[in-house]
Amino acid sequence: QKEVEQDPGPLSVPEGAIVSLNCTYSNSAFQYFMWYRQYSRKGPELLMYTYSSGNKEDGRFTAQVDKSSKYISLFIRDSQPSDSATYLCAMSANYGGSQGNLIFGKGTKLSVKP
Amino acid sequence: DAGVIQSPRHEVTEMGQEVTLRCKPISGHNSLFWYRQTMMRGLELLIYFNNNVPIDDSGMPEDRFSAKMPNASFSTLKIQPSEPRDSAVYFCASSFGGGAFFGQGTRLTVV
Repeated sequence: QKEVEQDPGPLSVPEGAIVSLNCTYSNSAFQYFMWYRQYSRKGPELLMYTYSSGNKEDGRFTAQVDKSSKYISLFIRDSQPSDSATYLCAMSANYGGSQGNLIFGKGTKLSVKP
Repeated sequence: DAGVIQSPRHEVTEMGQEVTLRCKPISGHNSLFWYRQTMMRGLELLIYFNNNVPIDDSGMPEDRFSAKMPNASFSTLKIQPSEPRDSAVYFCASSFGGGAFFGQGTRLTVV
């Protein structure tokens, strides 16, 4: 079993829809959870950063972490064509410290149709 | 802040040649990561430095790959000799907690 699993999609939605992106993981030591957005031929861009379980909201984006289920989600409200990109989840057990290995999912490709 | 700066942006080289990729992290960041991205395998961590010290190099595929961080503002990833299967996009990222920030990557093609 891979440490981080993410459905590659592609996921196609109409403009204005609510998008739900998800990752599951197997390592119970993970405490830091991130979501990145990557446009074609660009580097990943940090969208959301959360620690432990709970919700975090930033504009149209909401990140949820359920450590008991080893499941994280990213919700995008009122999706726009400019949200079309690949979304990658990432997580770490001791981020920023001497054991801060950051593990990524393979990414979900999202297309928002006008 | 200019962000993480990588050079070159594109590199085409012949099999057997030495390739050196360069990275300038964001000033003040104490962690630096080198990743490789391919369609098949996604983003793979190659090596991770903390305060200029290599912490985890278990992702370096083989001895042909080496990485250095001589100071807090510069790192290199070297492949010698290069092989066609090394063709990928190589990303450098830096962090001071709170998430890693990525450069634009170096697209390497080995022919």
